[in-house]
Amino acid sequence: GAGVSQSPSNKVTEKGKDVELRCDPISGHTALYWYRQSLGQGLEFLIYFQGNSAPDKSGLPSDRFSAERTGGSVSTLTIQRTQQEDSAVYLCASSSAEDTQYFGPGTRLTVL
Amino acid sequence: GQQLNQSPQSMFTQEGEDVSMNCTSSSIFNTWLWYKQEPGEGPVLLIALYKAGELTSNGRLTAQFGITRKDSFLNISASIPSDVGIYFCAGRTRSQGNLIFGKGTKLSVKP
Repeated sequence: GAGVSQSPSNKVTEKGKDVELRCDPISGHTALYWYRQSLGQGLEFLIYFQGNSAPDKSGLPSDRFSAERTGGSVSTLTIQRTQQEDSAVYLCASSSAEDTQYFGPGTRLTVL
Repeated sequence: GQQLNQSPQSMFTQEGEDVSMNCTSSSIFNTWLWYKQEPGEGPVLLIALYKAGELTSNGRLTAQFGITRKDSFLNISASIPSDVGIYFCAGRTRSQGNLIFGKGTKLSVKP
């Protein structure tokens, strides 16, 4: 299977803990995106990586959120000191030419 | 900031009927995409549109990129129960890399 994969599929954590969410994009895709989807809502853009360029972090909701993309492939989204309002599905997508984005299945984060 | 208005928010239809949904934006887009999302899954791309006026079909689905570049519609002909899901429009301006998503249209199909 050559699709976008994400792990874990579900994460339950306690308020105040840090969490790391992982995304493996489609091989060869240069662009990688993180979105957040709250229950019954659309997708909220968080951060975008394109090749070796500086990431577009304009969608990150606070400084508790950060992301890295190592070696131009795998990406990790980190949420520090989680809050209950961080509970959502975190979706990763990748694309080959800043165009059609293909999504992973998401990580459902629940902060108790 | 840029906004996408997607309507209707939800719709119920009888199996075999045609349905239509649309999106309008406050900005000019150079790409429109339509996705479908089923419970527990990520959005799956249905149709991509790249030129104003473009009309593209994918099986029973047809989507158009509006001439004004500020709107798009998706039609589903002869709906079937497996069409159930949430349909999202998404667009991108020339100056941005990320997509802007509508809030989705939840489709229910009665057998």
